Amino acid sequence: AQSVTQLGSHVSVSEGALVLLRCNYSSSVPPYLFWYVQYPNQGLQLLLKYTSAATLVKGINGFEAEFKKSETSFHLTKPSAHMSDAAEYFCAVSPGGTSYGKLTFGQGTILTVHP
Amino acid sequence: DAGVIQSPRHEVTEMGQEVTLRCKPISGHDYLFWYRQTMMRGLELLIYFNNNVPIDDSGMPEDRFSAKMPNASFSTLKIQPSEPRDSAVYFCASSLWDEGRGYTFGSGTRLTVV
Repeated sequence: AQSVTQLGSHVSVSEGALVLLRCNYSSSVPPYLFWYVQYPNQGLQLLLKYTSAATLVKGINGFEAEFKKSETSFHLTKPSAHMSDAAEYFCAVSPGGTSYGKLTFGQGTILTVHP
Repeated sequence: DAGVIQSPRHEVTEMGQEVTLRCKPISGHDYLFWYRQTMMRGLELLIYFNNNVPIDDSGMPEDRFSAKMPNASFSTLKIQPSEPRDSAVYFCASSLWDEGRGYTFGSGTRLTVV
């Protein structure tokens, strides 16, 4: 069984400030982890993924995430927020390894960026 | 690549009517997923297919919901009869098994049942 918990349904930052969105996972097998972004009235877009290679993963739009097995975390960060980063962000987990597994999504975190 | 294409983008229907949502996955992808998104329950996986075969439909809420994938380039999600509580955004996504490449989502169908 696998699950994802996103801490904080809403995060608000000022433009230029650090963005930190928290994600903790639970998985009975080594997981694959993902972050998706959803802009209003659009589908989800893949930001980045962890698939057991480097623990620090870089994605699009300047985002990155670090896989920490000891903390079962996969937090998303961006050094300097931009107004265009305002969106909803979803963390997701699937079983890794050779068998394909379906994604389980967290409840999402809405990021607001203030001028 | 045109991405995952869903139609219609918006659907308003009366309670009791049949609703059919359509999805065209990315060519070559061998997995197709149907998700439902609501404020209360977030993203819920309804059903997924591998090579056109349903693998897991445990998320389908009840017998009023059915999904088919007659070929590799087309899938439908049908609700009959529809109820107001079915109002949600329905997403289709497709994927290629490649050690966790992740899904590509369509833009969704916003369903309103009145």
